[in-house]
Amino acid sequence: DAEITQSPRHKITETGRQVTLACHQTWNHNNMFWYRQDLGHGLRLIHYSYGVHDTNKGEVSDGYSVSRSNTEDLPLTLESAASSQTSVYFCASGAGTAEAFFGQGTRLTVV
Amino acid sequence: QKEVEQDPGPLSVPEGAIVSLNCTYSNSAFQYFMWYRQYSRKGPELLMYTYSSGNKEDGRFTAQVDKSSKYISLFIRDSQPSDSATYLCAMSYDYKLSFGAGTTVTVRA
Repeated sequence: DAEITQSPRHKITETGRQVTLACHQTWNHNNMFWYRQDLGHGLRLIHYSYGVHDTNKGEVSDGYSVSRSNTEDLPLTLESAASSQTSVYFCASGAGTAEAFFGQGTRLTVV
Repeated sequence: QKEVEQDPGPLSVPEGAIVSLNCTYSNSAFQYFMWYRQYSRKGPELLMYTYSSGNKEDGRFTAQVDKSSKYISLFIRDSQPSDSATYLCAMSYDYKLSFGAGTTVTVRA
């Protein structure tokens, strides 16, 4: 079955370190998204991509970057991790309709 | 003001009751309206998806959209303990989703 997987599921890192969260989907979807979920804020869009080599900033993009070198993967990089980036991160993909399908999430703690 | 407003609850109902959830929004550009269900420590899963104003039914779930009032609702009939979850409304244009904060629902057996 097609799916979307995130790794790692849990990560603890130190302030100032670079961290990369992986997202891989096997649906062959063009659209991929990264969200963060925090209590009281719901899901907020960090970056998104409509296809290979396309990347766009979302609502809360400062301190994050993405690259799209193939259809299946959209890794999210925290350039210099900060405590404010402690959150649960969700990757999602979609086929070009409004629906998006989510991964299981990565729980990141920055200490 | 947030683009999408949703009362975070929490909401607690007895088994068999009707659960009523709603969201308001401010951006007229939103074209698609969705409800996601999220169980604890899991990713959101798509529950309902509508495009136009009106009602859409799927089993025990009914989604309503009123574009003129910028208001959407989700009703869960004959609620079950397995319906206990956080329900997120979401709205889309240009394929990007904007979410409400989510309403946590507990159905008591």
